Amino acid sequence: DAGITQSPRHKVTETGTPVTLRCHQTENHRYMYWYRQDPGHGLRLIHYSYGVKDTDKGEVSDGYSVSRSKTEDFLLTLESATSSQTSVYFCAISELAGAADTQYFGPGTRLTVL
Amino acid sequence: GNSVTQMEGPVTLSEEAFLTINCTYTATGYPSLFWYVQYPGEGLQLLLKATKADDKGSNKGFEATYRKETTSFHLEKGSVQVSDSAVYFCALIDQGAQKLVFGQGTRLTINP
Repeated sequence: DAGITQSPRHKVTETGTPVTLRCHQTENHRYMYWYRQDPGHGLRLIHYSYGVKDTDKGEVSDGYSVSRSKTEDFLLTLESATSSQTSVYFCAISELAGAADTQYFGPGTRLTVL
Repeated sequence: GNSVTQMEGPVTLSEEAFLTINCTYTATGYPSLFWYVQYPGEGLQLLLKATKADDKGSNKGFEATYRKETTSFHLEKGSVQVSDSAVYFCALIDQGAQKLVFGQGTRLTINP
């Protein structure tokens, strides 16, 4: 299994509070991704990173920001959480870009915004 | 844009039954195709993949063939086990793209 951990694994927070989720990898892969999983939607890409300090938006990026100061860590921040951001969040990594490689997923973080 | 459509679930079968989960896709280019599996309480695991037309991916008794003419990547297994109970996701990634595009998932339950 790819060495990917996510923290916390579960979090309950209140509307309007900031939340940061962490993804940590031990594979030294260049590419890292944040997806959210919602019933009926499969997984949708929030943001991704193609190197330290290099990030770009995915299809559902509104309300989220990311940072990557080290190869191994990719942080997802909800500046002011809303109930619509209640979801399961998955981090993924890949060594190469796009179709040239396979994305491997972490165990997920279940976030509930009350 | 690119999209993936999976058969509606949930699917319930008896042990040793034959399994087919349908997946069709729409893509502007020549995507790579994947099946991921999610066991209860866990993240997604890659089950198999195919990168070009007529390729067959296989793993753990599961198979899927990349059919460009029918834009399909159906998942099959000849004899399912209780341990195959999970949610299965079909996905694609197009050449030059970064994001995986997922189907909505199909929940499979195998009864002993």
